[in-house]
Amino acid sequence: EDKVVQSPLSLVVHEGDTVTLNCSYEVTNFRSLLWYKQEKKAPTFLFMLTSSGIEKKSGRLSSILDKKELSSILNITATQTGDSAIYLCADGHQEKLTFGTGTRLTIIP
Amino acid sequence: DGGITQSPKYLFRKEGQNVTLSCEQNLNHDAMYWYRQDPGQGLRLIYYSQIVNDFQKGDIAEGYSVSREKKESFPLTVTSAQKNPTAFYLCASSGGPGGILTFGAGSRLTVL
Repeated sequence: EDKVVQSPLSLVVHEGDTVTLNCSYEVTNFRSLLWYKQEKKAPTFLFMLTSSGIEKKSGRLSSILDKKELSSILNITATQTGDSAIYLCADGHQEKLTFGTGTRLTIIP
Repeated sequence: DGGITQSPKYLFRKEGQNVTLSCEQNLNHDAMYWYRQDPGQGLRLIYYSQIVNDFQKGDIAEGYSVSREKKESFPLTVTSAQKNPTAFYLCASSGGPGGILTFGAGSRLTVL
């Protein structure tokens, strides 16, 4: 059974700090790993990482896949209050996604 | 605008009643999914459908039922057999297996 584990479960930092969120996975036949941001209701897509695309960056957010360690990190630099959200990691190797428990990030002004 | 519409946003139910949550998409996606979200537990898959008139159980299908009679619609029924139905329910769709999911805004069900 696929397993996705995220850490920490929650994180509180001050505006301007840099944060690193972790995701580890135990899957057979890895295909992709996805990151989502959930602010209030609907999760929104951030990144998809695959064997052919292990690094992604968009503005202050970036993500790296470590295939050897079966893990991924999501970095957010110069955090803003709008970054406060739940960040979800998911394994996408089957016809369905398996999600981790999420990391709740709170940015204090 | 293309997207997924879930209704109702909030729903209260008495114990022993069945309720149906609606999910409609106009993205022309083949695959649709229902997830349940509880505090501190992330998203857990209830049912999914890759094509019209076909669907599969997810990890927590007991007490739930679905239908997929049209490509655009994937309603979820929470039956009285679901022992702990109070939760936030998210519907999603994607263009294919392992693809990027687009989520609806969710339905929050509270059982009184």
